[in-house]
Amino acid sequence: EIVLTQSPGTLSLSPGERCTLSCRASQSISSSYLAWYQQKPGQAPRLLIYGASSRATGFPDRFSGSGSGTDFSLTISRLEPEDFAVYYCQQYGSSPYTFGQGTKLEIK
Amino acid sequence: QVRLQESGPRLVKPSETLSLTCTVSGGSISSYFWSWIRQPPGKTLEWIGNIYYSGSTNYNPSLKSRVTISLDTSKDQFSLKVSSVIAADTAVYYCARAYYDIWSGYSLHFFDYWGQGTLVTVSS
Repeated sequence: EIVLTQSPGTLSLSPGERCTLSCRASQSISSSYLAWYQQKPGQAPRLLIYGASSRATGFPDRFSGSGSGTDFSLTISRLEPEDFAVYYCQQYGSSPYTFGQGTKLEIK
Repeated sequence: QVRLQESGPRLVKPSETLSLTCTVSGGSISSYFWSWIRQPPGKTLEWIGNIYYSGSTNYNPSLKSRVTISLDTSKDQFSLKVSSVIAADTAVYYCARAYYDIWSGYSLHFFDYWGQGTLVTVSS
């Protein structure tokens, strides 16, 4: 099973700032089969990024994903108030499909 | 627009079987993999398993001995059963659809549509 470790656990920033969230895998993820999800309180996760860098429908271009192998990152170039949420990475390169423990992005 | 809706008992007694159904609307159940994912309160997400529209299944080894996922294509529904539940099975249970690339014909197991989730509590 591939274990995903996200860092930091919590990130406190202000609107307008830039942030980078990290996701590290215990073994190489084939074909960059890594996704990111955004989850707000009381809601289901929402697909944000797939294939490590492809943005899902409905998310603006201030969101970007990068990485390969075991190291991946999600960058938000300029935080908007609606971006404060929990972000999870997920690998789908091998079963069982696993999620990271999440990074909570909170308003400073 | 594809919609998924979970339904089933919200309270289950320890040692009994948890049963949930996901109803798919706004799209066909064919050609897709359908998954169950759970999230204990305050914790991360755990993939439970999936079923293909043909009926083939794949389960997370951590739960495999207690989980059954089935499909009813005539009703556009798929279901989850978790037997011998304990308090640690208390979670929000989500049903979700795996992405299908219509150009390549391949399915990729990230999740583009989710149900709203239902909290199931295991307690006597």
